[in-house]
Amino acid sequence: DQQVKQNSPSLSVQEGRISILNCDYTNSMFDYFLWYKKYPAEGPTFLISISSIKDKNEDGRFTVFLNKSAKHLSLHIVPSQPGDSAVYFCAAYSGGSNYKLTFGKGTLLTVNP
Amino acid sequence: GAGVSQSPSNKVTEKGKDVELRCDPISGHTALYWYRQSLGQGLEFLIYFQGNSAPDKSGLPSDRFSAERTGGSVSTLTIQRTQQEDSAVYLCASSPRGRGNTEAFFGQGTRLTVV
Repeated sequence: DQQVKQNSPSLSVQEGRISILNCDYTNSMFDYFLWYKKYPAEGPTFLISISSIKDKNEDGRFTVFLNKSAKHLSLHIVPSQPGDSAVYFCAAYSGGSNYKLTFGKGTLLTVNP
Repeated sequence: GAGVSQSPSNKVTEKGKDVELRCDPISGHTALYWYRQSLGQGLEFLIYFQGNSAPDKSGLPSDRFSAERTGGSVSTLTIQRTQQEDSAVYLCASSPRGRGNTEAFFGQGTRLTVV
């Protein structure tokens, strides 16, 4: 029973274009969502987050959109850079269990120069 | 060290043997987490420590898995009588207060292969 789903295992975009990574969830109790970025042989690093009371959060080139009714969130990277090439994980948690993240399987983003 | 350190980086063990995985969190971080990532899967929560106590160990897959933390610092994840399905990357993370995973820093992981 996968509560956080990233249905695209991989995505390839050209440098300078927009990258859109998608994530769907099934657990309506989730109230906080995070994106992590992972390079090979390194641990995941936190990228950006959004609370369920918001529908958008922006940080530089990264914007996360949340559609609660559709139980869908997306990460937009504009403009994409080759250094953004990594695996991106969507994660979520609910209520007071903020230590207990539920992760998606990840999407490998490749940004081509 | 500046970051979360895990050892060993890689471990190959024979089925049925016991293994110990070590995590050195960032100094001063009170919260410590263990996750694992099996092939083709997302990260799976195993256990959470606040200080030396484990308020939530609900993610441990079976009683072959145990973890401890001493001195509010180093943690050891022990897997007894390893099975092939235990093969995964085991990730440790720590955070200053255990409130909010935006503050959690992950180690590079230990890749465990059970043959």
